[in-house]
Amino acid sequence: KQEVTQIPAALSVPEGENLVLNCSFTDSAIYNLQWFRQDPGKGLTSLLLIQSSQREQTSGRLNASLDKSSGRSTLYIAASQPGDSATYLCALNTGGFKTIFGAGTRLFVKA
Amino acid sequence: DAGITQSPRHKVTETGTPVTLRCHQTENHRYMYWYRQDPGHGLRLIHYSYGVKDTDKGEVSDGYSVSRSKTEDFLLTLESATSSQTSVYFCAISEGQEGTQYFGPGTRLLVL
Repeated sequence: KQEVTQIPAALSVPEGENLVLNCSFTDSAIYNLQWFRQDPGKGLTSLLLIQSSQREQTSGRLNASLDKSSGRSTLYIAASQPGDSATYLCALNTGGFKTIFGAGTRLFVKA
Repeated sequence: DAGITQSPRHKVTETGTPVTLRCHQTENHRYMYWYRQDPGHGLRLIHYSYGVKDTDKGEVSDGYSVSRSKTEDFLLTLESATSSQTSVYFCAISEGQEGTQYFGPGTRLLVL
């Protein structure tokens, strides 16, 4: 059974710091992996989607990598800002309509 | 932002009453999903739709039914609400079966 783990559960960093959020999974048979951010009381906003055949995707200050062999994806945020404070979730599509979400990492960027 | 709206945004109801939540999209995406989000469980798929009148069960479908009579609308019905169905409900859409999912703003449901 596929399991998705996000560590740490919470992270606090000073503004300007570069940081890495981790997403681990137990089964490398995935179609894609998606990173979302969720602000308190809001829906999920899609940040990046990496297809199974890709190694990384970039959007602005965000870079997501995928290593299926090690069962790991990372979301790199450069030059963090207070506006980056949110919960970040990774989600694995394992085929068909089955998407498994991690519990998320709650990020707080201090001004 | 993808054009997805959910209604109502907040609802309080009593145990045993039927409740219908609506998801409306303006993107003409084929695939639509209903999730619930609960502390300690994360997001879990309730039902999904792969076309008009084409729906199927997800991971936690007991006590829920869905209908999709038009491309743009996907309804989730709690036939007889229970306190365990207190949750935040999210609708999502995607253009492809394994494509990017876009989420609506959510509906907070409290069942007393």
